[in-house]
Amino acid sequence: IAGITQAPTSQILAAGRRMTLRCTQDMRHNAMYWYRQDLGLGLRLIHYSNTAGTTGKGEVPDGYSVSRANTDDFPLTLASAVPSQTSVYFCASSEIQGSADTQYFGPGTRLTVL
Amino acid sequence: GQNIDQPTEMTATEGAIVQINCTYQTSGFNGLFWYQQHAGEAPTFLSYNVLDGLEEKGRFSSFLSRSKGYSYLLLKELQMKDSASYLCAVRDGDYKLSFGAGTTVTVRA
Repeated sequence: IAGITQAPTSQILAAGRRMTLRCTQDMRHNAMYWYRQDLGLGLRLIHYSNTAGTTGKGEVPDGYSVSRANTDDFPLTLASAVPSQTSVYFCASSEIQGSADTQYFGPGTRLTVL
Repeated sequence: GQNIDQPTEMTATEGAIVQINCTYQTSGFNGLFWYQQHAGEAPTFLSYNVLDGLEEKGRFSSFLSRSKGYSYLLLKELQMKDSASYLCAVRDGDYKLSFGAGTTVTVRA
């Protein structure tokens, strides 16, 4: 079934640990995005990639890094997790071509940093 | 950047109509999206407006006025399954989306 998968589904992490959230899409979409969603703040863009080999910073990039080695995968790394990074993380992808370009979201990763 | 405002919560009765307003201030505008998000799930696409006017999709309609920086999502013939958060999002010229905090709609029997 086409779509976006994320792993893990949930994770509890000790502060200071390194963590990589995985995201894979099989729709051959050009663009991919990472958001965090916190109560009362909505979805905020962390990093994005318009095409394989390129990445850009979103609204809240500090403490996170990404890479886009190929079209399908877009991992998000927390180099040294802090409690303020406790959130639900959503990966999304889109064609980026055409006017009605819609972002499709993965199921999310619930991360708790203690 | 974008500044997007929408009400936090709304309650309505099954079978009724609810209108969720969204106002935005933007440094670049390339379309407005509405997403639906049920609790514990991912957002799913509902509607898209880039030109002024009304777009209708079954029980859901979305309106846009670019000059006023205003949109609304109209949900008709409300059903219990419509209880969810509704997210207004504005796309900029770089195809990035900025989201409002979301409006939680509760449908009561």
